[in-house]
Amino acid sequence: GENVEQHPSTLSVQEGDSAVIKCTYSDSASNYFPWYKQELGKGPQLIIDIRSNVGEKKDQRIAVTLNKTAKHFSLHITETQPEDSAVYFCAAFMEYGNKLVFGAGTILRVKS
Amino acid sequence: DAGVIQSPRHEVTEMGQEVTLRCKPISGHNSLFWYRQTMMRGLELLIYFNNNVPIDDSGMPEDRFSAKMPNASFSTLKIQPSEPRDSAVYFCASRTGTGGFYEQYFGPGTRLTVT
Repeated sequence: GENVEQHPSTLSVQEGDSAVIKCTYSDSASNYFPWYKQELGKGPQLIIDIRSNVGEKKDQRIAVTLNKTAKHFSLHITETQPEDSAVYFCAAFMEYGNKLVFGAGTILRVKS
Repeated sequence: DAGVIQSPRHEVTEMGQEVTLRCKPISGHNSLFWYRQTMMRGLELLIYFNNNVPIDDSGMPEDRFSAKMPNASFSTLKIQPSEPRDSAVYFCASRTGTGGFYEQYFGPGTRLTVT
């Protein structure tokens, strides 16, 4: 079945620095890759997504890149702020089964 | 839109008791998902519905777990009898469309503690 690997499991950066989280997936038929941010005590919130027909998407300080050949995608956060501290999850849409498969999550800490 | 609504937000119960978690999906969404989140196992998909019909319940851990969706605006996840290892945060999520890449939105979760 589909498997999504996410790295690193924890990431600590200084405020203002950039943060990069990487994910790889196994199902070459996957065509939709969302990223979720989960703050303490809350549900995962969709922050950005990318479809397989594009290689990069940006929304203010966050961007996602996709390499379908290598089957990996990444989340980039620039100019990090303390409020970016949270757990981030990547996911891949699995055509077979019609569902999202999630990575294990990355705990991001932004130190001020 | 109010987003996905879950109730209760917190539930503390004793082992052996029945627990019912409730979810109201976003209006117009026709796919609904139940997840369980723990430190050890991360985010696990338990079951999902398309147009109120259960499609995949392979993630339901045991027969003690059951889920229903009697109409497009309401779903329940029931645990009977509950056990301490069921303690977790349970999320409901909904999505428009039954296939392809549609945005999926999560509710705030129900934190279940079984003592």
